[in-house]
Amino acid sequence: AQSVTQLDSQVPVFEEAPVELRCNYSSSVSVYLFWYVQYPNQGLQLLLKYLSGSTLVESINGFEAEFNKSQTSFHLRKPSVHISDTAEYFCAVSRYNFNKFYFGSGTKLNVKP
Amino acid sequence: EAQVTQNPRYLITVTGKKLTVTCSQNMNHEYMSWYRQDPGLGLRQIYYSMNVEVTDKGDVPEGYKVSRKEKRNFPLILESPSPNQTSLYFCASSPPGQGPYNEQFFGPGTRLTVL
Repeated sequence: AQSVTQLDSQVPVFEEAPVELRCNYSSSVSVYLFWYVQYPNQGLQLLLKYLSGSTLVESINGFEAEFNKSQTSFHLRKPSVHISDTAEYFCAVSRYNFNKFYFGSGTKLNVKP
Repeated sequence: EAQVTQNPRYLITVTGKKLTVTCSQNMNHEYMSWYRQDPGLGLRQIYYSMNVEVTDKGDVPEGYKVSRKEKRNFPLILESPSPNQTSLYFCASSPPGQGPYNEQFFGPGTRLTVL
């Protein structure tokens, strides 16, 4: 079975500071990688995804993540966070020709003024 | 409006009393899935369905049943609920021909408490 590790359960950061949320996964075979965001009392929404091609993927609201095959990582970054980015972020992985889906334990990003 | 709906949103029940949580999507999605979310564990997949009459176990299927008789509906059945099934449940669906490889659209969640 796949495993997805999010090393930080909580990340406090001040507004306009940079942030990195870390994600590592267990498999070295072909994988599809995702970051989902959950705002308080809501369901999950897709933030960005890596399926193939360029290893750097971006979201429309300034987040980016880089697929690093050698380190089996897919860390999420933002150069300058806003209060509205306060949410829980989940890293997730699936595999080619494999229909299960695995989520990490989540990282709560708390942006302070 | 394109959406995934779940009912009920909140449910408190007692051990052993059968219950069903409904999930419906209006986007003609083939892939549907159920997850449970527990603090510190993230989301864990319970069951998924690639299409009508095609279902399979996720990582934590024990104590749950599903059915997929229509494309739009994917109910989750707890035939004899126990307190360890107290959790927040999410249904999700994904566009045709892409399985879980693309964006999953999540419902609003069902908070279940089993006493």
